[in-house]
Amino acid sequence: AQSVTQPDIHITVSEGASLELRCNYSYGATPYLFWYVQSPGQGLQLLLKYFSGDTLVQGIKGFEAEFKRSQSSFNLRKPSVHWSDAAEYFCAVLLSGGSYIPTFGRGTSLIVHP
Amino acid sequence: EADIYQTPRYLVIGTGKKITLECSQTMGHDKMYWYQQDPGMELHLIHYSYGVNSTEKGDLSSESTVSRIRTEHFPLTLESARPSHTSQYLCASKRTGTEAFFGQGTRLTVV
Repeated sequence: AQSVTQPDIHITVSEGASLELRCNYSYGATPYLFWYVQSPGQGLQLLLKYFSGDTLVQGIKGFEAEFKRSQSSFNLRKPSVHWSDAAEYFCAVLLSGGSYIPTFGRGTSLIVHP
Repeated sequence: EADIYQTPRYLVIGTGKKITLECSQTMGHDKMYWYQQDPGMELHLIHYSYGVNSTEKGDLSSESTVSRIRTEHFPLTLESARPSHTSQYLCASKRTGTEAFFGQGTRLTVV
């Protein structure tokens, strides 16, 4: 069965510092890959997605992610974090053929210090 | 912009009451999902539907039920609410080959 691992439960960064949130998946083929952000008490908002093509994907709010097939990873990055980026971040995987059920990681909570 | 709506946003209800959480989408998506999420925790799939008259249970056992009589509507019902049902419920929809779009969620508190 496919699985998604976000190894960091919490990440703390200073405002203005760079950020990298890790995501690894376990599946034989390349799935569709997503990053979502969730503010407290809200639903999930899509930051970016990878289906195929260029392995460096640009998203909203200045985020980007890089798909590395050899490492089965899809890490999220931002060069300079803003205090408003403090939220919960979820990586998700969807099989490119077959199941239509997205599988989510357990999430990484981003804390931003002034 | 995603058009998926959940009502109510917040609900406080007494034990034993019957409740229905509403979810509607105007995007014509055939696939819809309900997730349960405790604060700061991961999402657990409790129900999903691949189309009208199609409903399946998800990975997390739930005492709730769902129906899918119309494409745009996917309500979730608890026949007898209990404090253990206190949680946030997230509805999502998608079509094949796209990402899932989420509603704002319903925060349910059973007292």
